[in-house]
Order: sequence, then structure tokens, then C-alpha cells
Amino acid sequence: AQTVTQSQPEMSVQEAETVTLSCTYDTSESDYYLFWYKQPPSRQMILVIRQEAYKQQNATENRFSVNFQKAAKSFSLKISDSQLGDAAMYFCAYRSEDSNYQLIWGAGTKLIIKP
Amino acid sequence: AAGVIQSPRHLIKEKRETATLKCYPIPRHDTVYWYQQGPGQDPQFLISFYEKMQSDKGSIPDRFSAQQFSDYHSELNMSSLELGDSALYFCASSLFGGSGTGELFFGEGSRLTVL
Repeated sequence: AQTVTQSQPEMSVQEAETVTLSCTYDTSESDYYLFWYKQPPSRQMILVIRQEAYKQQNATENRFSVNFQKAAKSFSLKISDSQLGDAAMYFCAYRSEDSNYQLIWGAGTKLIIKP
Repeated sequence: AAGVIQSPRHLIKEKRETATLKCYPIPRHDTVYWYQQGPGQDPQFLISFYEKMQSDKGSIPDRFSAQQFSDYHSELNMSSLELGDSALYFCASSLFGGSGTGELFFGEGSRLTVL
């Protein structure tokens, strides 16, 4: 069975600086998706960034980028120029390429932004 | 753009009562997923439906049931409510039974409080 591990329960960063959130996963599959979701205090789950396993190029969305290391089964999220609005819980999630597979979630990392 | 709509947003019930949560997926999405998120926990998968048929089942209690209707909206019925059922219930939808981009689109959640 697939598992997702986020080893950092909490991280803090100074506003405008860069922070990296770690995520590792375990799977025997070769085709899958990886996601970072953000859950602010409003509690809505918001997609931050998505990576297809077959793509070697790391996904980037504005200030958010990932370091996807397929062989190492690592999927870290880098947030550049951190802003106060980035404060939230961040969940790493895995999804099999097979249809109808639900997301496998990490435990989450609470990100604190210091003004 | 249309998003996943959940209702009600907040619900307060007494122990042993029954509650029904509704989810309206993004138009043309054919798959609906239900998740339960307790305080400080990652979302736990409950159940999913593809083309109105149950497609996958997670840690859904026997007291809970769900279905997807002909218009693709879904309802989660919870009976004999217990204090431990107090949680945020997310509905998510996707296209083509989970294939394609692999992305799940989440609603804002329904917060159930059992007193």
C-alpha cells in the first residue's frame, strides 16, 4: 500500500524568505500523481501544485515549486518570497494513475510566517 | 468558474440523531469523493462514486451511507451520530473517474458538530 510521510509537523519562516517543506512517499507503481494542498484557517482545501510522475521537469506555480526526485520518492515544496497569506497547513498527497483511486495524504505541516 | 458546492456549511446535531450532507460536483465531473477530517488530523477517505456507482470504500462507518444521483450530486447520510463524528466533511470531484490530470477539486467542507 502507498504511504505518504511529512516529517515536519511545523515549520516557520520569516516573511519574504524561502522555506522548503518535505514529503516522501512509498509506492511500487510507476505512474502516479503528487500534489501539495494548502489548508488555511478557513479550512478549505486548496490545490497548490501538481506533479505527474512521468514528467522529469519539476512543476512550478509562481512562487511555489517542487523538487521531485522519483528514484528517492521525494517531493518537496519550496515557497519563495513567503507571504503572510501562505500561513496554513500544507498536505502532501499521492494519487495512483489508476482510475478512481483516492488521495493518500501525509499528516500535514503547519507553516508559520513571521512578520 | 463553478466549484464544488457543499451544504450545509455548518450543522449541529445531538447524539443519536441523523444528518445528511450534500455535495454538488463541478459540472461534467463524474466522480465524487467524501473525506472526513477530525481536528488536527489529515483527511480520511470515506467513499467515492463514479458514474453513480460506488467505486471505492474507505474507513466509512456502517452507520454512514452515501449515494450519487442521476444529476451527479451526492449525499452522505449519517445515522446514530456519535460525539466522534464531529469533524469537517469534505466533498471532492474529478473528471473521468480520476484519470486525466488526477486532480481532485474540493468543496469548502461541511462542519458537523455533535453535542
